[in-house]
Amino acid sequence: QSILTQPPSVSAASGQSVTISCSGSSSNIGSYYVSWYKHLPGTAPKLIIFENRRRPSGIPDRLSGSKSGTSASLHISGLQIEDEADYYCESWDTRLGTGVFGGGTSLTVL
Amino acid sequence: EVQVVQSGEEVKKTGESLKISCKVSGHSFTDKWIGWVRQKPGKGLEWMGVIYSTDSDTRYSPSFQGQVTFSADTSIDTAFLHWSDLRASDTGFYYCATTDRIGGAWTHWGQGSLLTVSS
Repeated sequence: QSILTQPPSVSAASGQSVTISCSGSSSNIGSYYVSWYKHLPGTAPKLIIFENRRRPSGIPDRLSGSKSGTSASLHISGLQIEDEADYYCESWDTRLGTGVFGGGTSLTVL
Repeated sequence: EVQVVQSGEEVKKTGESLKISCKVSGHSFTDKWIGWVRQKPGKGLEWMGVIYSTDSDTRYSPSFQGQVTFSADTSIDTAFLHWSDLRASDTGFYYCATTDRIGGAWTHWGQGSLLTVSS
C-alpha cells in the first residue's frame, strides 16, 4: 500500500479534461513540495510538474498542478492520445527519511 | 545535455550477487543526490532510497534497508546499486534519478535496468 493515495485509473474523451488526485499526510505533502511524473513502463519516468505547480521546459501549459494542505492534484486539459500513460505523484517524507510515490494512476484517452 | 545511462539487462539466479550502474554526464556529478526506484512487474514505482554523491550519505526506505547497498564513485561519475543475495522477488525494473537537493524534484532519469531472477 502506497504512502500517497491516487485513484488507480481515470479516463476521458479526447479533447476533454481530467484531474488526478494525490492524498498524503503532514509528514510528506503537508511538509514538502509535490512532483508529478509521466511514465510508460520500461521507459524513463518524465518529470512534468515540480514544486507543486511549476512546469519544466517543454511541458505544455495544458498540464497544471496544485496543492492544498496534505493533498495535491494534476489537471490535464485538451486530452490527446499521447497523454495515455501512468501518472505518479511524489514527495519527500520526513518520518521515513526518503521519497514516497503515489500508487500511480493509469490514464486512458477514449 | 544531461544524460543518465544505466547498465543493461541482467538475468541472474537466486543467491547470486549483482551490481548495476548509473552514469551521469552533462553536468557535475558531485553535490547531487542519486535516487533508486524499483518497479515490479505490473506494479507501481517504489522508492528504494537515496545516496549523496559527494560523501555517500545514504538513506534507505524501510522496505529496502539491509536488502541492497548504494555506493557512488565521483571519479567516474557513477552510482551503483548492489545486491549480495538475489531473490526471485527482486525481479523488476530499476531506475536511477538525480536531484540537487533532498525534497527536490527528480529531474533526470536513467532508462531503467531490467533484472530477472530465477531459481
